[in-house]
Amino acid sequence: AQKVTQAQTEISVVEKEDVTLDCVYETRDTTYYLFWYKQPPSGELVFLIRRNSFDEQNEISGRYSWNFQKSTSSFNFTITASQVVDSAVYFCALSETRDDKIIFGKGTRLHILP
Amino acid sequence: DGGITQSPKYLFRKEGQNVTLSCEQNLNHDAMYWYRQDPGQGLRLIYYSQIVNDFQKGDIAEGYSVSREKKESFPLTVTSAQKNPTAFYLCASSIRGDSYNEQFFGPGTRLTVL
Repeated sequence: AQKVTQAQTEISVVEKEDVTLDCVYETRDTTYYLFWYKQPPSGELVFLIRRNSFDEQNEISGRYSWNFQKSTSSFNFTITASQVVDSAVYFCALSETRDDKIIFGKGTRLHILP
Repeated sequence: DGGITQSPKYLFRKEGQNVTLSCEQNLNHDAMYWYRQDPGQGLRLIYYSQIVNDFQKGDIAEGYSVSREKKESFPLTVTSAQKNPTAFYLCASSIRGDSYNEQFFGPGTRLTVL
């Protein structure tokens, strides 16, 4: 069974619009970690955020914000006032404490149109 | 600058040949990872190593081999047994190989088998 689901394969929005990338995960662990990574056209993945399962506080970093809801097993990522430089593939990932591996979703390709 | 280097960026090989992809890190990280990325498939773990002289198979290890003789180096060999080796290969490292630590990625090697 897929443990990290990013149902949106590809999204296109016009610059300055807000956009939310969805991430739904599945785990039986009570302690786990969730991550978001950005992969720009250059190919190198860039770490954006880590959230542990005990911290459901939303987080904001500039134009980026993350909404973690354990009740719905979701960890969504919102970009406010999108910019062309936000165009990339975004990956949500899950790491369980009983395993030392990170499980990546299939990614959402985001196009910000000028 | 600290980081992860992968070489070469593009690699072309004839079918049936073994090829070795280089990955070097100067972050003093204990753990290193190899992923394969195919269009629409996200990242799939090939091999990982948590300490020198030790490594474990990931989800798609068949047709690949690795070594970890030095902390800073984790080369990946794509053997002729790998049925469909054309892909984008990403190397990553983390401070320790546990579930908490984020991974840092190299720029990737795009392998094309002709």
